[in-house]
Amino acid sequence: ILNVEQSPQSLHVQEGDSTNFTCSFPSSNFYALHWYRWETAKSPEALFVMTLNGDEKKKGRISATLNTKEGYSYLYIKGSQPEDSATYLCAFRTGAAGNKLTFGGGTRVLVKP
Amino acid sequence: DVKVTQSSRYLVKRTGEKVFLECVQDMDHENMFWYRQDPGLGLRLIYFSYDVKMKEKGDIPEGYSVSREKKERFSLILESASTNQTSMYLCASSFPPGGITDTQYFGPGTRLTVL
Repeated sequence: ILNVEQSPQSLHVQEGDSTNFTCSFPSSNFYALHWYRWETAKSPEALFVMTLNGDEKKKGRISATLNTKEGYSYLYIKGSQPEDSATYLCAFRTGAAGNKLTFGGGTRVLVKP
Repeated sequence: DVKVTQSSRYLVKRTGEKVFLECVQDMDHENMFWYRQDPGLGLRLIYFSYDVKMKEKGDIPEGYSVSREKKERFSLILESASTNQTSMYLCASSFPPGGITDTQYFGPGTRLTVL
């Protein structure tokens, strides 16, 4: 079983502040790294799929970077808003895994007004 | 929009009962997945299916079985529910393998409590 770790497990952010958190994954046999956002009482929804070392993706105030050589990805939230409160999941896929994803434990973000 | 629906949002069952969790997707996806989510452990894959009547074990298949008789429907079966199967269960579907950026689309989850 592949080891995908996210840190921190949870964090509280003041509205308007920026924050970031990490996903660590095996650096060998990399194929893709997915980020999902999971709001309470809703379905997890895809944010980004990252495939190349050095990839940077952006969606509104949320962005992500990827370092496949050292096996980590950062997710950034700029100017956090209460609607950003959610659990953020990363998921790793190897080339040998078909369509299987291995998920990290998630980072739970709570933005306080 | 892709729609993945699950039969129940909340379910309470007794130990030893047979439990069926149903998942339906409307995007003609070949791939379907069942995960369970427990605090601090992320999503763990129970079973997945690449096609009708095809199934493969995930990382934690013990105590579960699945059925895929139609392309749009993937059922998770707990033959004899136990308290350690109390969890949030999520179904997902995706495009066929081979696409480098094939995203999984999730249902809203079923929170199962086994007493």
